[in-house]
Order: sequence, then structure tokens, then C-alpha cells
Amino acid sequence: KAGVTQTPRYLIKTRGQQVTLSCSPISGHRSVSWYQQTPGQGLQFLFEYFSETQRNKGNFPGRFSGRQFSNSRSEMNVSTLELGDSALYLCASSFGGGLYNEQFFGPGTRLTVL
Amino acid sequence: KQEVTQIPAALSVPEGENLVLNCSFTDSAIYNLQWFRQDPGKGLTSLLLIQSSQREQTSGRLNASLDKSSGRSTLYIAASQPGDSATYLCAGEILITGGGNKLTFGTGTQLKVEL
Repeated sequence: KAGVTQTPRYLIKTRGQQVTLSCSPISGHRSVSWYQQTPGQGLQFLFEYFSETQRNKGNFPGRFSGRQFSNSRSEMNVSTLELGDSALYLCASSFGGGLYNEQFFGPGTRLTVL
Repeated sequence: KQEVTQIPAALSVPEGENLVLNCSFTDSAIYNLQWFRQDPGKGLTSLLLIQSSQREQTSGRLNASLDKSSGRSTLYIAASQPGDSATYLCAGEILITGGGNKLTFGTGTQLKVEL
């Protein structure tokens, strides 16, 4: 079956702009999580959505937001971009219930802020 | 603060060697442990998930163990091949009150298998 897909794969933006990233989970998965990966900080948890509700949130400023649609697809938005937002943004999907939650990651969106 | 540490940070071995990657964690709230590989510029590929009730998992040439009492997990790669060259990440799954979970990632081990 199809894996997790993310669009776009690459983005170049300038400071102050906003950006929207999209993630389509594996069919049947209801949980989508977002992570930011940078050389300095490694992989950090942004937030998790389950059944269209944000269930958990990491320690990121309010400029980072997201949403999930009824088909479980998720979008992440970053407003007022800063240079430090340049990173690989990864989303992961899982069934989201119970104690067995193997997470499957997409290929990521590489965001460069100039 | 939850911390996951991986040792070594980088490793270079000749093809055919067996090797062990180490992962240690300080947070007793870590429930499951998942190992991933990441190729340069790419996403994460799930290798093995060890549930809290298990002590190890095997997939092909890979074997991962989990010892929650000591806060350690190891990934054993048998008969390494150049195609195994990648960064290997361990991640502890933490169950969050009210539902849901999140992964806390280690710093990664960059593996290079040479011909």
C-alpha cells in the first residue's frame, strides 16, 4: 500500500512569508505527527493530530500551527518565517490508538528560508 | 528532561563486520522503542519497533533489544553491507496523558560500511 506522502518536497521562502506543508498518511491511519529536523537540534516533535483534533503539542512558538481534515490528511503552517525555520519537516502517520503505534515517516519537505 | 543518547556518533567498518549501535534513555516514561534509518536528505525508514512488553525484535540481519530497567537499547547488524550505510536513529515513544504519543529521538549514529 502507498506510504506517507508529503508535498511539496522543496520550498524556498523569504523571511516574513508564510508557508503551508501537506501530509497524506497511510490509508487507515488516523494519527499524523509533525517533526522538525535541523543539524543543531536534531528531530523535534511539533504536534500530533488525531481525528481532526490536535492531541499533543511540542515546545514551538504559536507561529507553527496545523490542522487535520476528515480524510486524515494534515497541513502544517508556519507564519512570519525566520531564518531558523530552515529545516527538514517530516510527518509521520500511525493508527494512533492503543499501545502499538509504529510510526511511518514521509520523505519530508525541505524548507529554506532566505 | 527526556534525553535519548546514541553511541557512537559515527562508525566506519569494513564490509562483512557485525556491529552494535547503542541507545540509552533517561526517561522511564518511554514505553516503546523504535529504530529508524535515514539516508542523506531523505525521510526516516522504520526498521524495528520493540514494545514495552518485549525484550527484542528481529528482522533479517537486524536484531534490536530493549532493557527498560537499565534504560538501554541496542541494534545489532549482522554481516554489514555497503548498502547499510546511513544514519541510524532510535526513538522512545512516550504515551501522553489524555491520549496520543510522541517520539523522542536520539542524536543518531552515522554508519559507513566500506568495501
